[in-house]
Amino acid sequence: KNQVEQSPQSLIILEGKNCTLQCNYTVSPFSNLRWYKQDTGRGPVSLTIMTFSENTKSNGRYTATLDADTKQSSLHITASQLSDSASYICVVSVGNQFYFGTGTSLTVIP
Amino acid sequence: SQTIHQWPATLVQPVGSPLSLECTVEGTSNPNLYWYRQAAGRGLQLLFYSVGIGQISSEVPQNLSASRPQDRQFILSSKKLLLSDSGFYLCAWSPGAYEQYFGPGTRLTVT
Repeated sequence: KNQVEQSPQSLIILEGKNCTLQCNYTVSPFSNLRWYKQDTGRGPVSLTIMTFSENTKSNGRYTATLDADTKQSSLHITASQLSDSASYICVVSVGNQFYFGTGTSLTVIP
Repeated sequence: SQTIHQWPATLVQPVGSPLSLECTVEGTSNPNLYWYRQAAGRGLQLLFYSVGIGQISSEVPQNLSASRPQDRQFILSSKKLLLSDSGFYLCAWSPGAYEQYFGPGTRLTVT
């Protein structure tokens, strides 16, 4: 069964600290993996996208890694800011099929 | 550039009333279109997707229906809303494989 699992479910960190969010998937065959940021009450916005041949992709303070062998991805946020408070969703796609994780809710406190 | 619109942004409807949510995409042609629902604290649930005018696939049997009367217009409807229909509804478009872009969403509260 194609599944995407994310951990932790929620996370609270101090402003300025780093954090890492995890995504494990069983989707096969694998096309690409995308991390989205979703602010409360807004639509998800893409942060990074990686194909199976890529193992890292950065977007400013966001760095995503991918291990296609173990089917794991992580999103590392450096020097967190209050505006990073949001849900982060991992999505694995196979062609036109998209498999969503349930997200990690990140709260950054001053 | 492509943009995706949804309206209304928020909606409060009584149980048993009809529903119509609209989604339009600009700047592209023949997009794949999707309707998702996101319950509080839950992941995105795919409701419908469409690969062309009049072509609708339903993922979850329920109280809702979808239509695509024009290439870049996707409508989510219900004849009689249930309390369980409350949630955050997201429309998304895709040029094909790999890419998917979301609209701003509609917050629906059924009272």
